[in-house]
Amino acid sequence: EAGVAQSPRYKIIEKRQSVAFWCNPISGHATLYWYQQILGQGPKLLIQFQNNGVVDDSQLPKDRFSAERLKGVDSTLKIQPAKLEDSAVYLCASSSPSEGQGGYTFGSGTRLTVV
Amino acid sequence: GQQVMQIPQYQHVQEGEDFTTYCNSSTTLSNIQWYKQRPGGHPVFLIQLVKSGEVKKQKRLTFQFGEAKKNSSLHITATQTTDVGTYFCAGSRNNNDMRFGAGTRLTVKP
Repeated sequence: EAGVAQSPRYKIIEKRQSVAFWCNPISGHATLYWYQQILGQGPKLLIQFQNNGVVDDSQLPKDRFSAERLKGVDSTLKIQPAKLEDSAVYLCASSSPSEGQGGYTFGSGTRLTVV
Repeated sequence: GQQVMQIPQYQHVQEGEDFTTYCNSSTTLSNIQWYKQRPGGHPVFLIQLVKSGEVKKQKRLTFQFGEAKKNSSLHITATQTTDVGTYFCAGSRNNNDMRFGAGTRLTVKP
């Protein structure tokens, strides 16, 4: 079974530039999550999708961050404009309630450096 | 809002010693999950606990969910160098909003 795919793996941009990340979840997983993990901290939920609908985006800085999952499969997360404090690893995860163990499967993440 | 606190932040042990990390929530949780993240890697799901007082074992790892469903622990018996990494708990109040703790970073000296 293929895992959660994310690209790019690394990205370096200057502050005030824009950037986009892509995620392809495990096939059949209806729920998709974007997490931000700052170095030395635990992952922080940015947004959760159920199919193509948003379930929770309470911690998404909506003035600069946006995310979509138009067809209920792939998702993109965008930052515009980026700030220095956005430097982090952006993790995508997916899950399915029909899979009994209940855990999330994470992708390898995109490491963003804002200079 | 919901917060999940983990202690200790760091733990350094000699190989063969035991290790325990604790997770506490300010609110009652519907479930709690544990993840392991190796240095440079991504979080990998270990286990989910749902029932009050639940205890689950995976080889040398023992997971507990408190009676009040507000705390949890992960205990590793006789640590090995392969146990190195950061262990995260993540709790949810309604099976949706999974919030992660800050993690406990375990280092093991051979």
